[in-house]
Amino acid sequence: DAGVTQSPTHLIKTRGQQVTLRCSPKSGHDTVSWYQQALGQGPQFIFQYYEEEERQRGNFPDRFSGHQFPNYSSELNVNALLLGDSALYLCASSLATGETQYFGPGTRLLVL
Amino acid sequence: GIQVEQSPPDLILQEGANSTLRCNFSDSVNNLQWFHQNPWGQLINLFYIPSGTKQNGRLSATTVATERYSLLYISSSQTTDSGVYFCAVAGAGGTSYGKLTFGQGTILTVHP
Repeated sequence: DAGVTQSPTHLIKTRGQQVTLRCSPKSGHDTVSWYQQALGQGPQFIFQYYEEEERQRGNFPDRFSGHQFPNYSSELNVNALLLGDSALYLCASSLATGETQYFGPGTRLLVL
Repeated sequence: GIQVEQSPPDLILQEGANSTLRCNFSDSVNNLQWFHQNPWGQLINLFYIPSGTKQNGRLSATTVATERYSLLYISSSQTTDSGVYFCAVAGAGGTSYGKLTFGQGTILTVHP
């Protein structure tokens, strides 16, 4: 049973560019959440997708957007990258009932 | 939003020692999870425990929801237990559904 997978594992971008990160949920899960973890901090909730719609959103600007596909996989897009967007981006999946969230290995984004 | 405080922020142990990590939260929750983050950034699920007590090998956890705290016990610690331990909660209110709020973490170092 495959767990949550994310791609790419690492990414380097320059300020102003756009980036797309991808996530495939654990088998049988239909809800995907995205989190940003800055160095030395706990992860912060960005948004959650269920049935291809954004169900919950944290305190992140509109530069952060997402999408969920019919197979439940998800993308996180960040436009107009800032140096402060450098972080570990984590994807988590769960059942719609909102119980245990399982996390992927993350994507490390460095913005220069 | 809901606040999560973890203590202690740092903990240094000799192999074989026992430890207790604490998580205080500011409101009613319907999800509380404990995670261990390894040096590569992977968040490993330890417990889903919005209330009650659970045990898994050398680890156990107790959540007293009415008093808004949770404890994680590690017995007979090993060097492989080193890493960052996070507590994360989701509030019981509709706007908090599925939105995990993380504490700042406890950095555990176990020396041989």
